[in-house]
Amino acid sequence: DIQMTQSPSSLSASVGDRVTITCQASQDISKYLNWYQQIPGKAPNLLIYDASNLETGVPSRFSGSGSGTDFTFTISSLQPEDIATYYCQQYDNLPPYTFGQGTKLEIK
Amino acid sequence: EVQLVESGGGLVQAGGSLRLSCAPSGFTFSSYEMNWVRQAPGKGLEWVSYISSSGSSIYYADSVKGRFTISRDNAKNSVYLQMNSLRADDTALYYCASGGRGSWYYWGQGTLVTVSS
Repeated sequence: DIQMTQSPSSLSASVGDRVTITCQASQDISKYLNWYQQIPGKAPNLLIYDASNLETGVPSRFSGSGSGTDFTFTISSLQPEDIATYYCQQYDNLPPYTFGQGTKLEIK
Repeated sequence: EVQLVESGGGLVQAGGSLRLSCAPSGFTFSSYEMNWVRQAPGKGLEWVSYISSSGSSIYYADSVKGRFTISRDNAKNSVYLQMNSLRADDTALYYCASGGRGSWYYWGQGTLVTVSS
């Protein structure tokens, strides 16, 4: 099975900062990588699919890049409402579909 | 408006069984793959099971293989997760999720399963 290694596990940043989270797959997954946001007490929300495509309605300060095994998720200017845990998830070929361990983002 | 409503969670003793249900509405259920994803208290997300739109393809995480069974009834717009031989580490909030292949833009609010040892 494909393993996803996400870092950092937690992150503290100030409003307006640029925030970057990375995710590494244990084997080539092409572009088949999603990023989800989970606000405490809520279900996950898909932000980015196919590594770099912004889901409809998601603010443009969120972006994703990468292919193969190395991927990056970026918030260009952190806003207070971005406080959440972020997960990468691979969906290469057939299940199992695996998540990264999550990155808990806090405001400094 | 799309809604996915999970039900069937509760408190059960280790070794017991539960059947979860998910009743989606607002989209053509029979055209969509469905998944169960769980989240243990204070922990991350774990994909549990997948069923194709027709029900002909089914997959499970290794952690539940042989104990859980996913099924769907397209006539009733419902997907199910039969959970047997439950263990303490199955305690989690169970979500049903759907959307594109592997990319889930539809999620329920979850149903809580607590397994007491």
